[in-house]
Parts: sequence; C-alpha cells; structure tokens
Amino acid sequence: AQSVTQLGSHVSVSEGALVLLRCNYSSSVPPYLFWYVQYPNQGLQLLLKYTTGATLVKGINGFEAEFKKSETSFHLTKPSAHMSDAAEYFCAVSPGGSTLGRLYFGRGTQLTVWP
Amino acid sequence: EAGVAQSPRYKIIEKRQSVAFWCNPISGHATLYWYQQILGQGPKLLIQFQNNGVVDDSQLPKDRFSAERLKGVDSTLKIQPAKLEDSAVYLCASSLAPEARLSYEQYFGPGTRLTVT
Repeated sequence: AQSVTQLGSHVSVSEGALVLLRCNYSSSVPPYLFWYVQYPNQGLQLLLKYTTGATLVKGINGFEAEFKKSETSFHLTKPSAHMSDAAEYFCAVSPGGSTLGRLYFGRGTQLTVWP
Repeated sequence: EAGVAQSPRYKIIEKRQSVAFWCNPISGHATLYWYQQILGQGPKLLIQFQNNGVVDDSQLPKDRFSAERLKGVDSTLKIQPAKLEDSAVYLCASSLAPEARLSYEQYFGPGTRLTVT
C-alpha cells in the first residue's frame, strides 16, 4: 500500500528564515516523488520531482528536496522564505511499475510567512 | 500553451440534486485525471482515462458518480444524486503520458468548488 505523511499541517516562518516541510512515504516499489504548491482558488503547480538519478533535486522558486531512501523521506526546503511562498504544499508519490502513474497525495502543509 | 480548463468554477446545489463538471485538458495530452479534494485533505484520485478509455476508477463511487471522455479530449464528471459529503473541490489534471503506467508530470486545472447544502 502507498501512503504519504506530511508532518505538520501548518508551518509558520519569518520572511528570510529557512523553510522545511516534511514528507515521509511508504511504497512497495521504488517511487517517483513530487512536491506541488497550491495558491488560493488555484490548481496545483509542480514545484519539483524525483524520478531517478541525483537524490537532491532543485525546483522552481528556489525550492529543493532530497530523496533519502533509508529514511523514506522527501523533505522540501528553501533557504530563505519570501512572502510570496505563503501557500499550501502537497507531497505526492507515484509508485511506478504497473500502478498506472497515479499520484497519492499527503494531507498538505499550509505555509505562513510573517513579515 | 493553454492550461487545463474547468467549468464551472463554483457550484452550489441542494442534496439529491445532480451536477456536472467539464474539463478540457491540454492539447495532445493522452491521460486525464479527476481528483476530489475535500477541505483539509490532499487530492484523491477518482478516475483516470487513457485517451477515451478508463484505466482506473477504483475510487469512484459508481452508485452516484459517472465520468466520460468522448473522443479522447474533453471530459465530464457527473454526480447524481449529490450528498452533503460530496462538498469538495473537483480537480482535473492531464499529462502527456503515452501509456497509463508512466508517471509524467500532471498539469492541474483551477478546480470546481462544489457546495452541497
């Protein structure tokens, strides 16, 4: 069975501070991993993805994430938060293989950035 | 490149009524997905189409939900009759994946927010 756990439904940081959003997954086969961002009243936008190769992946808007197989984690980070980063962030896993490319999402983490 | 289009953006209905949502995917995208996003939760896949065929509808409540993708382009999702617990945002996504098993990037539309009273 596949599942995604995002620790912390709400994260608050000051502008300029480090952003760390946690994601752990379970998958019976090597997964593809994704982070999406959702702004109010909008659809989801892909921030970054891991499929194969380098375990540290860089995405848009200065975000990056590291795939750690031993910890079954894919945490999202950004060195310096900006006000425009305030949004909801979703971690998702696609187990690959014969599982039809479907995505399993976590419950989301709402990021608030204080001035 | 135009994104995934959905309509309507908002819909309010009473329970036991019916409702339909429309999705137009990005041109050339073979795979289309409908997700349900209940407040406070992540999106949950309802149904996945590859061209005009259904490849996964295991999470679709078939007693009340139906979906079709005629001609492998536009898609409609219908609920009949609606229940209070159907209140959610319904997201449509599409991807280039030439085969259903391949995990290509999914592009999401803005969603339709349904309120059932």
